[in-house]
Amino acid sequence: GQNIDQPTEMTATEGAIVQINCTYQTSGFNGLFWYQQHAGEAPTFLSYNVLDGLEEKGRFSSFLSRSKGYSYLLLKELQMKDSASYLCAVPSGGGADGLTFGKGTHLIIQP
Amino acid sequence: GAVVSQHPSWVICKSGTSVKIECRSLDFQATTMFWYRQFPKQSLMLMATSNEGSKATYEQGVEKDKFLINHASLTLSTLTVTSAHPEDSSFYICSARDLAGEVMYEQFFGPGTRLTVL
Repeated sequence: GQNIDQPTEMTATEGAIVQINCTYQTSGFNGLFWYQQHAGEAPTFLSYNVLDGLEEKGRFSSFLSRSKGYSYLLLKELQMKDSASYLCAVPSGGGADGLTFGKGTHLIIQP
Repeated sequence: GAVVSQHPSWVICKSGTSVKIECRSLDFQATTMFWYRQFPKQSLMLMATSNEGSKATYEQGVEKDKFLINHASLTLSTLTVTSAHPEDSSFYICSARDLAGEVMYEQFFGPGTRLTVL
């Protein structure tokens, strides 16, 4: 089965940089997703990594190391609207295409 | 593009009644849709995979007779919570894969349906 671990909560300051880590154990690997979810809303796609390395997309970047079973999401120039939960997810495997999500990291941005 | 809608966005019902939730892909065809459930302060849990024209595949621990899934067309899947009880109160979210999309395995999520069973 798939197992994902990420911190429960983090706090950062507006304008700063924050890194949210995710470690995973999977049977097979078909990439890793990061989603953002505001309270009471559906998740929105941030990034997908299938190869090792850093992928940058504006203020958000995502890194993957397959050998270490590790990924991180890097948020720069933090804004108050970035306060949300950030979910790490991998395809469930076993022939299913659904996603297995981590418990999510609740990010609190302070002025 | 790749927009998924859900209806209703919220519903309150009495214990013992059934509730139907619709999930539609608005601008693409989805042979496969997914249903997730999210309890407060917890992450999304995959309930089932909905396959157009065939039976749904349920995750372990999800009662298929309680959560009826129908995927009658390439743009519509429905989830019916039968004989709902207060413990079924949750946020139900559907998603769909656009097979023509650029990112493999990417899913587009609907806005969710908040179910409250009294």
